[in-house]
Amino acid sequence: SQKIEQNSEALNIQEGKTATLTCNYTNYSPAYLQWYRQDPGRGPVFLLLIRENEKEKRKERLKVTFDTTLKQSLFHITASQPADSATYLCALDKDTGGFKTIFGAGTRLFVKA
Amino acid sequence: GAVVSQHPSWVICKSGTSVKIECRSLDFQATTMFWYRQFPKQSLMLMATSNEGSKATYEQGVEKDKFLINHASLTLSTLTVTSAHPEDSSFYICSARGYIRGSNEQFFGPGTRLTVL
Repeated sequence: SQKIEQNSEALNIQEGKTATLTCNYTNYSPAYLQWYRQDPGRGPVFLLLIRENEKEKRKERLKVTFDTTLKQSLFHITASQPADSATYLCALDKDTGGFKTIFGAGTRLFVKA
Repeated sequence: GAVVSQHPSWVICKSGTSVKIECRSLDFQATTMFWYRQFPKQSLMLMATSNEGSKATYEQGVEKDKFLINHASLTLSTLTVTSAHPEDSSFYICSARGYIRGSNEQFFGPGTRLTVL
């Protein structure tokens, strides 16, 4: 069955450093992959989408890479700030025409001032 | 950006009662709406997919008679948790997908916290 894996351990980094989060998937060939941010008690907020034919995507301080050979995506936040502290979710769409999105468990990021 | 609302944002009910949660797309027509459930420190689990005017498609292991979904219009879907029990306590999140600015995009609601006593 399709599986999405994210590092379940929290990531603690110092303000100003680059945070790197990993998403691996198996038994799957997604057309695109998405990253969301979720704050406690809130719904996910869309950040970036990267397609299978794209190696890298950037948006302000965010950068996403997508390696379909390794079946892996990396999510980078440069010049991290305490306000970046949240859970980051990797998501893939089931390519069934129904566009159902399935999520990884997320990685909790803590940025210390 | 597009907005999806949920009501109520939280609800506490007694065991055995039914609870209805509304999901609305406020500034676009949603061709498809999805319902997710999230337990603490766990991922969002897709419960069902609903298209306007048709029956919802439930994921494996989700009881359709327990979680009734009605997608009455292109801007409204409701999830009713029938005969709720403490194990149904969870964070329920809806999402709506529709064509916005020529692109098929998906937006999530803020979630509804259900606590069953």
